[in-house]
Amino acid sequence: DVVMTQSPLSLPVTLGQPASISCRSSQSLVYSDGKTYLNWIQQRPGQSPRRLIYMVSNRDSGVPDRFSGSGSGTDFTLKISRVEAEDVGVYYCMQSTHWPRTFGQGTKVEIK
Amino acid sequence: EVQLVESGGGLVQPGGSLRLSCAASGFTLSRYSMNWVRQAPGKGLEWISYISSSSSTIHYADSVKGRFSISRDNAKNSLYLQMNTLRAEDTAVYYCARDSPGADCSSSSCPKYDYWGQGTLVTVSS
Repeated sequence: DVVMTQSPLSLPVTLGQPASISCRSSQSLVYSDGKTYLNWIQQRPGQSPRRLIYMVSNRDSGVPDRFSGSGSGTDFTLKISRVEAEDVGVYYCMQSTHWPRTFGQGTKVEIK
Repeated sequence: EVQLVESGGGLVQPGGSLRLSCAASGFTLSRYSMNWVRQAPGKGLEWISYISSSSSTIHYADSVKGRFSISRDNAKNSLYLQMNTLRAEDTAVYYCARDSPGADCSSSSCPKYDYWGQGTLVTVSS
């Protein structure tokens, strides 16, 4: 199975400051079609998961442009340029290139 | 508006069975593959099963293989998860999530895990 390793697992951030989450996969996430199926999923407290970013760097509709994704191969990053109160929650990277699909452990973002 | 609504959760004894449903609306279910993902209390997300649009391809996580069965009824716009021989460690909120072949993905859209339901809680306890 592809192991997804996130860091840090806890991220206290001051409002208005940037935040960055790293995700590393144990195998390349480039599929045979040349695309990389790496998603970033946000889960606010008490809510269902919500996809923020797909295929490494593409923001979903309605996602603020302060969120950005980057990376390639096995190393990926989610950045929040200026953290707002509504960004509190757990962020997961997940791969849908290989079977079984796997998630990172989750990074809990909280306000200092 | 795309909506996924899970139902069928509840309290069940170890060794028992339960059938979860996921009702889809706002899109044509028959065009999409689907997944079940679960989350144990206070824990992270775990993918458990996938079914292609025509039911021709099915995958399971090792943790549920041989005990759980995924199915769908496109005419009823519904996805199902039959759970047998339940264990305490199956206690979780179960979500359905939309999927699609990679050929449907581009930089402008990709229906892989783009919509999730609100979840249904399954508690396995005596």
